[in-house]
Amino acid sequence: DTGVSQDPRHKITKRGQNVTFRCDPISEHNRLYWYRQTLGQGPEFLTYFQNEAQLEKSRLLSDRFSAERPKGSFSTLEIQRTEQGDSAMYLCASSSPGREPETQYFGPGTRLLVL
Amino acid sequence: AQKITQTQPGMFVQEKEAVTLDCTYDTSDPSYGLFWYKQPSSGEMIFLIYQGSYDQQNATEGRYSLNFQKARKSANLVISASQLGDSAMYFCAMRFSASKIIFGSGTRLSIRP
Repeated sequence: DTGVSQDPRHKITKRGQNVTFRCDPISEHNRLYWYRQTLGQGPEFLTYFQNEAQLEKSRLLSDRFSAERPKGSFSTLEIQRTEQGDSAMYLCASSSPGREPETQYFGPGTRLLVL
Repeated sequence: AQKITQTQPGMFVQEKEAVTLDCTYDTSDPSYGLFWYKQPSSGEMIFLIYQGSYDQQNATEGRYSLNFQKARKSANLVISASQLGDSAMYFCAMRFSASKIIFGSGTRLSIRP
């Protein structure tokens, strides 16, 4: 298996700008997750897709955040009108429900810095 | 409410010694899964080991073993014969639904040569 990939690995932006991150899951995995990790903390769940359907969203996901997975393969996470508090590592993970234990495999993350 | 607690923010261990990283959890669900992940400075979360709530035996994966004490709600990670490359953040996590995993705050492990 090739692993989960994320692009870009780093992003620096100015407050108020929009940013978009991409995640490519492991090819046979139909579940995809987004997490946010701030410094010194564990990852926090943001949202989850099964195939192209977004099945769950955290309250952390404000109206400025939107995630898509249009063809059930790669996913994008967009943050509009970025704020300094959005600075964090954004992690993507994927899993396959047919395999036990259903383990989430993570990508390398996208580090976002909002100036 | 589900919760994961890691009480050791940081640990220093001499190379080749064994180390135990503590994790306690709280859930009222009878079915759950416990994971340990390693996060090096590069940022990627690396899956280490898994324990299901109904598993009778403690999980082992190479130098990693999970000391699962269900009645105490603890799932400690044991790393035998530590190596310099084991220096990283370690996260305990619990899955209690089809989708969601919650993570503890992590333990930073530093291995001394």
